[in-house]
Amino acid sequence: DVKVTQSSRYLVKRTGEKVFLECVQDMDHENMFWYRQDPGLGLRLIYFSYDVKMKEKGDIPEGYSVSREKKERFSLILESASTNQTSMYLCASRGRGETEAFFGQGTRLTVV
Amino acid sequence: LAKTTQPISMDSYEGQEVNITCSHNNIATNDYITWYQQFPSQGPRFIIQGYKTKVTNEVASLFIPADRKSSTLSLPRVSLSDTAVYYCLVGPMFSGGYNKLIFGAGTRLAVHP
Repeated sequence: DVKVTQSSRYLVKRTGEKVFLECVQDMDHENMFWYRQDPGLGLRLIYFSYDVKMKEKGDIPEGYSVSREKKERFSLILESASTNQTSMYLCASRGRGETEAFFGQGTRLTVV
Repeated sequence: LAKTTQPISMDSYEGQEVNITCSHNNIATNDYITWYQQFPSQGPRFIIQGYKTKVTNEVASLFIPADRKSSTLSLPRVSLSDTAVYYCLVGPMFSGGYNKLIFGAGTRLAVHP
């Protein structure tokens, strides 16, 4: 079974802190994604990566950056957390040319 | 990437067949149609994918008319455990490095006893 693991299920951070959300997948997938999910808005793509060190902005990249130094790990970075970044964050991976994407369980981040 | 439009919510009862329609008027020739299901407090999971006509698996059927401007996810004899949000995605499967997955707001299905 493909496994996508997010480092934390729940996280509480203070405004202005630098926050790292980690995602690891074990199926050698080329593509990895970070989304945020807010009530009534569905999943919105923040960033995705199609290979090591390669990244592309999604629909809402402002206030976020990403890092993909190794194929299995994709990190989402909030440089200076703000209260409007309180949300559920979901990571996904998919092999190149494959049908199905696999999601992690999500990290519920609260910025106070 | 093609924009999709789905109903915001639907209600059904146990044992009924549920059909959720997705509109994608500007679908491109190399686009596929994919549906995901999301339960509360979980990440979405893949249900079914198709390009044209009909696709069926153990979970659902996907009907795609000839013009491909819409698609219908059909869930036979739903149970309470089918209560979830259903997302329709349209996009190319093989697109080199640019392999985005763009989700809309989805359809919230509530199944009642």
